[in-house]
Amino acid sequence: AQKITQTQPGMFVQEKEAVTLDCTYDTSDQSYGLFWYKQPSSGEMIFLIYQGSYDEQNATEGRYSLNFQKARKSANLVISASQLGDSAMYFCAVSIQGAQKLVFGQGTRLTINP
Amino acid sequence: DAGITQSPRHKVTETGTPVTLRCHQTENHRYMYWYRQDPGHGLRLIHYSYGVKDTDKGEVSDGYSVSRSKTEDFLLTLESATSSQTSVYFCAISRTSGSEQYFGPGTRLTVT
Repeated sequence: AQKITQTQPGMFVQEKEAVTLDCTYDTSDQSYGLFWYKQPSSGEMIFLIYQGSYDEQNATEGRYSLNFQKARKSANLVISASQLGDSAMYFCAVSIQGAQKLVFGQGTRLTINP
Repeated sequence: DAGITQSPRHKVTETGTPVTLRCHQTENHRYMYWYRQDPGHGLRLIHYSYGVKDTDKGEVSDGYSVSRSKTEDFLLTLESATSSQTSVYFCAISRTSGSEQYFGPGTRLTVT
């Protein structure tokens, strides 16, 4: 079974600093996808970024980038120049080719301080 | 934003009553999912659909059933609600089985 581990239940960062949210995964499959989602206090789940296991370059979307280290089974989310609006829960998830679902980690609560 | 709506958004019901939650999409995506979100458990998959009338169980399917008679609608039914089914329920859609999923706004269900 696939497993996602987010070891940081909470993080506090000063505004404008960069922040790295950790995610490790456990799968024996060779083909899989990694996803990050943001859940603000309003409750909606917002898709942020995707990385395929065969992608050689780290994915980037605006201020978000994914630090993908395949050998370590690590897919950390990096947010550059953090903003107050980045305060939210962040979830890492993995999908396995042929398995029609995402497996989510338990999330990291990020708080950006002014 | 993906066109996904859920109804109702909030519901309070009594133990033992049946409850149906509706997910509606306007994106014509093939795959639809129902998750529940509980403190300490993250999001867990209840059921999913890979086409009209094609559904399968997720990891926490006991006590739930689903139906999909049209591409745009995916219904989740709690056959006899229990207090352990108090949760926030999210619907999600995706174009393919491995692609990103887009979530609806969620339904907060309280079973008293």
